[in-house]
Amino acid sequence: ETGVTQSPTHLIKTRGQQVTLRCSSQSGHNTVSWYQQALGQGPQFIFQYYREEENGRGNFPPRFSGLQFPNYSSELNVNALELDDSALYLCASSLVQAGLGEQFFGPGTRLTVL
Amino acid sequence: SQQGEEDPQALSIQEGENATMNCSYKTSINNLQWYRQNSGRGLVHLILIRSNEREKHSGRLRVTLDTSKKSSSLLITASRAADTASYFCATDASTGNQFYFGTGTSLTVIP
Repeated sequence: ETGVTQSPTHLIKTRGQQVTLRCSSQSGHNTVSWYQQALGQGPQFIFQYYREEENGRGNFPPRFSGLQFPNYSSELNVNALELDDSALYLCASSLVQAGLGEQFFGPGTRLTVL
Repeated sequence: SQQGEEDPQALSIQEGENATMNCSYKTSINNLQWYRQNSGRGLVHLILIRSNEREKHSGRLRVTLDTSKKSSSLLITASRAADTASYFCATDASTGNQFYFGTGTSLTVIP
């Protein structure tokens, strides 16, 4: 167990809807990263937050947005859902930015868009 | 597109044998990391090797890094059935705050 929790575990939405996924970081970690993992693929970096500010973003459109709160919990919001957004969404917390050290992953939220 | 490519995509070995998987990446890096994932769940960090290191060991794991070839390898010695999982390499981009995972190697260790 990493101490990183995500909710909900599973979620079903329809195309065009909006979704909010939540992550609670490991205690003491001030950096959180979000990833999208399609079936059979590696995780793709969506963005990273450090002390409530976005400080790194992958190749995802603006309808993917996030928040990090003072208690280092975070949210991933996706607007105008598309079928291709169906994936496992993973958050990871760390003491430093993603590339510099170990990240601790949550179990993920499985999103299905119909 | 993802930065890293793992090879092979799938590997099946007998318990006790060694497993080697390779990773190639595209741009300059600060560090390279290896992660393991069981059955579509969260990833677990295995090892980090810095760009100025050539080899690193952790228990039954041995990682090498060749920055001139932009490649890394992960060796798991004396494999166990519990090592069955997908293995991913991951790199940062030395020019920005981004992080890239490879496509993964699916390892099956047969008891």
